[in-house]
Amino acid sequence: DAGITQSPRHKVTETGTPVTLRCHQTENHRYMYWYRQDPGHGLRLIHYSYGVKDTDKGEVSDGYSVSRSKTEDFLLTLESATSSQTSVYFCAISRLAGVTNEQFFGPGTRLTVL
Amino acid sequence: QQPVQSPQAVILREGEDAVINCSSSKALYSVHWYRQKHGEAPVFLMILLKGGEQKGHEKISASFNEKKQQSSLYLTASQLSYSGTYFCGTVPDIGSQGNLIFGKGTKLSVKP
Repeated sequence: DAGITQSPRHKVTETGTPVTLRCHQTENHRYMYWYRQDPGHGLRLIHYSYGVKDTDKGEVSDGYSVSRSKTEDFLLTLESATSSQTSVYFCAISRLAGVTNEQFFGPGTRLTVL
Repeated sequence: QQPVQSPQAVILREGEDAVINCSSSKALYSVHWYRQKHGEAPVFLMILLKGGEQKGHEKISASFNEKKQQSSLYLTASQLSYSGTYFCGTVPDIGSQGNLIFGKGTKLSVKP
């Protein structure tokens, strides 16, 4: 199994509070991704990173920011959480760009915004 | 832009076969297949590349029809362990920066 951990695994927070989710990998893979998964929508890309300090927006980036100061860590921040951000968040890593390479997913973080 | 998967759900008896389809409105460079069991992370099954051959994984195989912009996943002699939700992820031929766009998934239930 690819060495990917996510923390916290579960979080309940209130509307308007900031939240940071962490993804940590031990594989030294270059590419890292944050997805959200909601019933009826599948997996949707929030942000991705193609190297330290190199990040870009995905399909559903509004309300989220990311940072990657080290190869192994990719942080997702909800600046001011809203109830629409209640979801399961998955981090994924890939050795090379996703075109020809599989992505390995972390165990997920279940976030509830009240 | 999101690929369309069909059917949305399917129920099988052990030993039966199933086909899951994934169609895109855009020309595709590659199609990826993942399986997710309830409460777990998605797990990679296989990648099909434009111009490549049909791939196989145990009794699960897939094809990629570039002209029709669609892929099909074939599950043969299904086992209980095949239960889960199957997602296709597509990479358009141009303009996607290589990121996957996932379909909404097909829920497969295999009964004894």
